[in-house]
Amino acid sequence: EADIYQTPRYLVIGTGKKITLECSQTMGHDKMYWYQQDPGMELHLIHYSYGVNSTEKGDLSSESTVSRIRTEHFPLTLESARPSHTSQYLCASSESGGGAYSTDTQYFGPGTRLTVL
Amino acid sequence: KNQVEQSPQSLIILEGKNCTLQCNYTVSPFSNLRWYKQDTGRGPVSLTIMTFSENTKSNGRYTATLDADTKQSSLHITASQLSDSASYICVVSDRGSTLGRLYFGRGTQLTVWP
Repeated sequence: EADIYQTPRYLVIGTGKKITLECSQTMGHDKMYWYQQDPGMELHLIHYSYGVNSTEKGDLSSESTVSRIRTEHFPLTLESARPSHTSQYLCASSESGGGAYSTDTQYFGPGTRLTVL
Repeated sequence: KNQVEQSPQSLIILEGKNCTLQCNYTVSPFSNLRWYKQDTGRGPVSLTIMTFSENTKSNGRYTATLDADTKQSSLHITASQLSDSASYICVVSDRGSTLGRLYFGRGTQLTVWP
């Protein structure tokens, strides 16, 4: 069982609100990732991090931002939420080694289901 | 274009029956292929991983096969259980120069009925 946590699990907010999705892991992994997943669709990488103070944008353009001040914590922030941001957001982590997108096993959190009205 | 295609999109089987899910990919160069299980409302969990030299890998009632020549993989589930109801995602990793990246399929939604 992977020790990676996401809060909140579900969030319904109004347009224009600022939100932060929390992700934390207790495995000491250097690499962390944020994915966006719509129903019946593939996961899309939106942000990743090699380690503390390292963040990169992924394949899918996203208006969100991330920070990595501590190894175990990788929060994602939307400054002004819009209905187009409605989706499931999955956080993952993996051990060091390999390339930026990592060929190591990624351990996923349970996800945050975001709905913007 | 590097892609991962899965079939069928959805599948319904009766408890106790076997089933096989398919994954075709065009990712090149190839590094490894994983099958993940994603329960509704949860994150994906890795079931198997196969590299270029491996053509079969088992994990309990799950058996994955890989044909790197035809770029096809399958996931066979034996004696299905209600708890097997989930989305099964095929993920292929490339060996890009300095960066390996992951290509995700859209998944096969499996429903097991009692």
